[in-house]
Amino acid sequence: AQSVTQLDSQVPVFEEAPVELRCNYSSSVSVYLFWYVQYPNQGLQLLLKYLSGSTLVESINGFEAEFNKSQTSFHLRKPSVHISDTAEYFCAVRSRGASKLTFGTGTRLQVTL
Amino acid sequence: ETGVTQSPTHLIKTRGQQVTLRCSSQSGHNTVSWYQQALGQGPQFIFQYYREEENGRGNFPPRFSGLQFPNYSSELNVNALELDDSALYLCASSSGTSGSTGELFFGEGSRLTVL
Repeated sequence: AQSVTQLDSQVPVFEEAPVELRCNYSSSVSVYLFWYVQYPNQGLQLLLKYLSGSTLVESINGFEAEFNKSQTSFHLRKPSVHISDTAEYFCAVRSRGASKLTFGTGTRLQVTL
Repeated sequence: ETGVTQSPTHLIKTRGQQVTLRCSSQSGHNTVSWYQQALGQGPQFIFQYYREEENGRGNFPPRFSGLQFPNYSSELNVNALELDDSALYLCASSSGTSGSTGELFFGEGSRLTVL
């Protein structure tokens, strides 16, 4: 069995400030890790993923996440947020060889001026 | 290239009724997964279909059933609707099976309200 914990349900931040959204997972086998973003009234969009190799992965819009196996974490960071980053962010894990993604409960990022 | 499309976008049913939700997968994808997202929660895996066969199922009762067609589109059927079935139902398509690292592409969902 696997699980994902997103420690913060809401994160308010001012525009141009840095942000970190926390994600911890548990699994007895090797996993793939993902961050998805959901804008209001929309489906999920893949933000970035860790499959293997370099533990630091980056997205095209400035987000990055680092896979830390010893701490079983995959925190999402951005050095300077924009109003348009306001959305719900979901961390997800999939065991290698399994068919399902297990999602966390989400973190609402609210960026204000 | 068309993305994942779902229909209907919104619907209202009453307890005990049955509902069918539809999903057209992205071009070139042969795998479809369905997720239920209750309000304020993360998506929960219902099941996955690969080449018309169920290829994994989450912790949902048998009244949740599905189909995948030869063109890889899919349906989710829910019988004997309960109030707790009210949720956003998300369809995701991908290429390959659980052994692959294929990215999931999600549709915008069908929002079901059960009264």
